[in-house]
Amino acid sequence: GAGVSQSPSNKVTEKGKDVELRCDPISGHTALYWYRQSLGQGLEFLIYFQGNSAPDKSGLPSDRFSAERTGGSVSTLTIQRTQQEDSAVYLCASSSQQGRMGNEQFFGPGTRLTVL
Amino acid sequence: GESVGLHLPTLSVQEGDNSIINCAYSNSASDYFIWYKQESGKGPQFIIDIRSNMDKRQGQRVTVLLNKTVKHLSLQIAATQPGDSAVYFCAENRPGGADGLTFGKGTHLIIQP
Repeated sequence: GAGVSQSPSNKVTEKGKDVELRCDPISGHTALYWYRQSLGQGLEFLIYFQGNSAPDKSGLPSDRFSAERTGGSVSTLTIQRTQQEDSAVYLCASSSQQGRMGNEQFFGPGTRLTVL
Repeated sequence: GESVGLHLPTLSVQEGDNSIINCAYSNSASDYFIWYKQESGKGPQFIIDIRSNMDKRQGQRVTVLLNKTVKHLSLQIAATQPGDSAVYFCAENRPGGADGLTFGKGTHLIIQP
């Protein structure tokens, strides 16, 4: 079956521009997660959704970052006024339940964002 | 601060040998741990998980060991193959925190022919 998909796969933008990253989770998965991975680093948790609500937004690095999820499915991560330090791979994952205690998270291939 | 980390950034082993990748965690309240494998240009792929009420779990060619006394996690891969070359991350789930996982920085496993 289809896994988690993300678009675009690569995005190059100029400093100061806004970008939108999209995640399509596995059908039926209620939990959705966004992570950021800088070059050669581990994954940094950004935000997670249970259904359409985001109980914890504390992982978002600044108020330039926002995310939404509609219809309990697709999610978009928006970065406003991008900065060079925003350059990273943004990964999305989904799981069938709230992501703890044995609920495996399935990752998408990521969106590589480069801010010039 | 509290974190999940790895002892070695790069590990090189001969094809066919066994490999052991280590991970130290500092939050004794963490109750669930996962090992992920990430190949170049791809998202992390689940390998094996373990709950804090266990000390060992085996999969196909992989074994995860959890030592809660010293807060140490390891991934053993038996009879390594070229396809095992990847970056391996351990991740922990912390009760009471956000429901995302906390990842270590990763170990790059290189399989030598």
